Amino acid sequence: SQQGEEDPQALSIQEGENATMNCSYKTSINNLQWYRQNSGRGLVHLILIRSNEREKHSGRLRVTLDTSKKSSSLLITASRAADTASYFCATGQTGANNLFFGTGTRLTVIP
Amino acid sequence: EPEVTQTPSHQVTQMGQEVILRCVPISNHLYFYWYRQILGQKVEFLVSFYNNEISEKSEIFDDQFSVERPDGSNFTLKIRSTKLEDSAMYFCASSVIDRGDGYTFGSGTRLTVV
Repeated sequence: SQQGEEDPQALSIQEGENATMNCSYKTSINNLQWYRQNSGRGLVHLILIRSNEREKHSGRLRVTLDTSKKSSSLLITASRAADTASYFCATGQTGANNLFFGTGTRLTVIP
Repeated sequence: EPEVTQTPSHQVTQMGQEVILRCVPISNHLYFYWYRQILGQKVEFLVSFYNNEISEKSEIFDDQFSVERPDGSNFTLKIRSTKLEDSAMYFCASSVIDRGDGYTFGSGTRLTVV
């Protein structure tokens, strides 16, 4: 499969702690994106990192990309209860217009 | 901030009926997409559309599905004869360029086939 796999599948932390989610993929990519989805709702784009970038920050989000290992991580610092959601990685792959989504990590932040 | 708008937000239909899901992409975007997400599963690509024709489609996008850009603003997904397994959240997206960059997703249409 070309699609990514996230781990862990589920993560439960206390408010204020950091949350780290990982994504692995199999093919050559142009970019990797992280999306958030509240239960039963739409996909919200969080951050995009290009294949020639190694790290990117946006507010409390930090994304890393290791193309040699075909993996990425999303770090949410100082988590809040409102961060509770599912987080998906999606890859934009060479020679394809569409995105390939991973299986998602369900994050629960306990107040 | 520009949005991709999808209507309706929720549609219930009888098995065998035709449904049309509607999307208004961002006005200066050139690439349009439909994805679906069966409850509890991953988001799956259905079809991409550029220059008034399908540019890519997945094996899910069989003859029961069709897409159309009937005017300058709307982008529709039609399912001709719905099956129970078509029940899912359907997401429309658009982008300025290809290669999976600069996507904006709509908030989705939840289709329930009964």
